[in-house]
Amino acid sequence: AQSVTQLDSQVPVFEEAPVELRCNYSSSVSVYLFWYVQYPNQGLQLLLKYLSGSTLVKGINGFEAEFNKSQTSFHLRKPSVHISDTAEYFCAVSESTGGFKTIFGAGTRLFVKA
Amino acid sequence: KAGVTQTPRYLIKTRGQQVTLSCSPISGHRSVSWYQQTPGQGLQFLFEYFSETQRNKGNFPGRFSGRQFSNSRSEMNVSTLELGDSALYLCASSLVVAGGEETQYFGPGTRLLVL
Repeated sequence: AQSVTQLDSQVPVFEEAPVELRCNYSSSVSVYLFWYVQYPNQGLQLLLKYLSGSTLVKGINGFEAEFNKSQTSFHLRKPSVHISDTAEYFCAVSESTGGFKTIFGAGTRLFVKA
Repeated sequence: KAGVTQTPRYLIKTRGQQVTLSCSPISGHRSVSWYQQTPGQGLQFLFEYFSETQRNKGNFPGRFSGRQFSNSRSEMNVSTLELGDSALYLCASSLVVAGGEETQYFGPGTRLLVL
């Protein structure tokens, strides 16, 4: 069975500071990894995904994540955050076989302060 | 290209009633998945449909059911509603491509309140 652990439930950070949101996963099979962002009263928006290939993945809004197979991690980073980045961020894993059964982490609330 | 649309956006029901939620995927997408989001349990996978067949299923009771039509639109039904069914229900669609590399695109959700 797969599982996803987001190590921080809340991350406060000042505007223009760097941020890292941590995600660890467990699975007995090959997986795809995703980060989604959810703004208040909205659905999920895909930030980036790792399917295969380069372990450093670049996404939208200046975010990037690095897949580390040995540490089973997929941490999300941004070198300089903006107030508008305040949102809930979800790490997710899906088996790389037919169909979707995506497992989500509990979410990390990023709060960017002026 | 239009995104995933869900109707209705908001819904209020009472315990014991049933409800049907609708999801229209992105044009050309044949996979539709449903998720329940609550403050206590987070995002939980309900089921996935592909070409009118349920392909994957989460750990929800039989009161939760779904179906997919030939145009890929999907409906989700919850019977005998309980207070704990109050949640944001999200639908996601995906384009199935050779090699299995697929990405889900989420709709805005239907917020269900059970009184």
